[in-house]
Amino acid sequence: DGGITQSPKYLFRKEGQNVTLSCEQNLNHDAMYWYRQDPGQGLRLIYYSQIVNDFQKGDIAEGYSVSREKKESFPLTVTSAQKNPTAFYLCASSIGGSFSYGYTFGSGTRLTVV
Amino acid sequence: GIQVEQSPPDLILQEGANSTLRCNFSDSVNNLQWFHQNPWGQLINLFYIPSGTKQNGRLSATTVATERYSLLYISSSQTTDSGVYFCAVGDNDMRFGAGTRLTVKP
Repeated sequence: DGGITQSPKYLFRKEGQNVTLSCEQNLNHDAMYWYRQDPGQGLRLIYYSQIVNDFQKGDIAEGYSVSREKKESFPLTVTSAQKNPTAFYLCASSIGGSFSYGYTFGSGTRLTVV
Repeated sequence: GIQVEQSPPDLILQEGANSTLRCNFSDSVNNLQWFHQNPWGQLINLFYIPSGTKQNGRLSATTVATERYSLLYISSSQTTDSGVYFCAVGDNDMRFGAGTRLTVKP
């Protein structure tokens, strides 16, 4: 079955460490997105990519980095510059462009700083 | 950037009741979607509805793009409808509202 796989489901990070969250899709979607969700809040856009080797900052990109070397993969790195990284991270994909309907989300990664 | 406001923030219903959730947005958009987030955090796309009306079973949605709002109707609610309902708007990148937390009691 097609879908989006995020790993790991739970991740613990020590102060000052960089960690990378994985997001893989087999839907043949062009566009991919990363969102952050804090408890009781909506989703905030971190980064998005419409095509391979290209990505744009969202509303809260500081302290995060991404790459899009393959259509299927859009990993997110939470760097030590992100001062409050504890949150639920969601990856999504869509057909993209003016047809960015039908967003499909992964099951998320819960990141905790210890 | 575009602002998205959802109301009410919380809603508690008895099973079988009907409800209406509202989404207001600050600018014209080409894309509006409704999502349901279950208690385990999984987000499911309910409707892609930049304008007009759509129905899917007990759920329906209407967007009046010229007046910049969208409504999600839930009829004959069930306990499995509980969770958070999000409206998201945008073009190539979607912005989410803060959500409406729905609790349906048996």
